[in-house]
Amino acid sequence: QVQLQQSGAELAKPGSSVKISCKASGYTFTSYYISWIKQTTGQGLEYIGYINTGSGGTNYNEKFKGKATLTVDKSSSTAFMQLSSLTPDDSAVYYCARDYYSGDVGYYFDYWGQGVMVTVSS
Amino acid sequence: DIQMTQTPSSMPASLGERVTISCRASQGISNYLNWYQQKPDGTIKPLIYYTSNLQSGVPSRFSGSGSGTDYSLTISSLEPEDFAMYYCQQYDSSPWTFGGGTKLELK
Repeated sequence: QVQLQQSGAELAKPGSSVKISCKASGYTFTSYYISWIKQTTGQGLEYIGYINTGSGGTNYNEKFKGKATLTVDKSSSTAFMQLSSLTPDDSAVYYCARDYYSGDVGYYFDYWGQGVMVTVSS
Repeated sequence: DIQMTQTPSSMPASLGERVTISCRASQGISNYLNWYQQKPDGTIKPLIYYTSNLQSGVPSRFSGSGSGTDYSLTISSLEPEDFAMYYCQQYDSSPWTFGGGTKLELK
């Protein structure tokens, strides 16, 4: 069965970086893009961007350019997101999700990781 | 960015009740609208894609409709497992954006 298993919670200091992972199983990793979504109480769900797991190509929401860097390791079927220059505003739960296309018009996130809580505090 | 406004933000309801959640886009999104459910443990799953298409495995009591800027999710008869958060999401224009969520609570 399809699973996206994310790494554990992170506690980081302001100005530092964290790298969280999303390990895929149960399907051909390179056949589906992986997207990342941020969830906070104040801002709700925000789309960060996606990575083409086959080519490594990326597309970012302008808001997260310079903040998030998406990479993949095809050998381990794992997607990564690095968050840099952390501030308290980066404290959130971060989800990875698989992009799914259905026919000509359907597009949605069909499987989600369990989420990773990142807390930025001194 | 397209703004997605969900109403209500919270909704007390009873088992067996029919409920409807609304989602309004700041501009027309040509039916490119999905709905997701989030459980209290954080688990998120898709319910409806492209306005009215039921995701595989989702019970038929869930349905979606709408056009232009106005969309809705209806649950025909609430079951205990339906009390959760619901989010709409547009994919007409990048960046994809989500509604603020509707918390369905047991009355």
